[in-house]
Amino acid sequence: EVQLVESGGGLVQPGRSLKLSCAASGFTFSNYYMAWVRQAPTKGLEWVASITNSGGSTYYRDSVKGRFTISRDNAKSTLYLQMDSLRSEDTATYYCTREEGFPYYVMDAWGQGASVTVSS
Amino acid sequence: DIQMTQTPSSMPASLGERVTISCRASQGISNYLNWYQQKPDGTIKPLIYYTSNLQSGVPSRFSGSGSGTDYSLTISSLEPEDFAMYYCQQYDSSPLTFGSGTKLEIK
Repeated sequence: EVQLVESGGGLVQPGRSLKLSCAASGFTFSNYYMAWVRQAPTKGLEWVASITNSGGSTYYRDSVKGRFTISRDNAKSTLYLQMDSLRSEDTATYYCTREEGFPYYVMDAWGQGASVTVSS
Repeated sequence: DIQMTQTPSSMPASLGERVTISCRASQGISNYLNWYQQKPDGTIKPLIYYTSNLQSGVPSRFSGSGSGTDYSLTISSLEPEDFAMYYCQQYDSSPLTFGSGTKLEIK
């Protein structure tokens, strides 16, 4: 069974940092692109960042470029999101997702989410 | 960025009813459109990929259609477990964008 389990969420002050982890199991992690999607309270879904299966390429939405870093450790089957210079607008539940690209693109597995609250 | 407009934002419906949710893109997206379901506990799963293809394990009462800028998700006969939030997502161009969601509520 495919499982994605996020951890590392919490309450953090504006301008500080937080690192999320996503432990993957039930599939060959190194074969898949992965992504983070967030959902602000009472809002819709918003793509944050993606990473290729090797980790060689990363992609970010403009609002987090230069502040967030997506990375992965294929030996540990774990995805990360390092979040620096956090702002109140980064408050959200962050979901780890698996990206399937064949035959067509779809986020075919999701974690349960990690809550991040940025507040003084 | 491509804007995805979902309508309606909420929809009261009854068990056994047929419902359709619409999603309009701000420009053509060449059928690169997926649908996702989010349950009240936050659990998210894919339903439809590439406009009309059923994700593995999804009941056949779900279907998708559309082209160009206009797409729709139809549930042919509502079951209790279908009352949830639904989101469309385009992947024609970066950044990936989602619709604002449709809440399917029990009438």
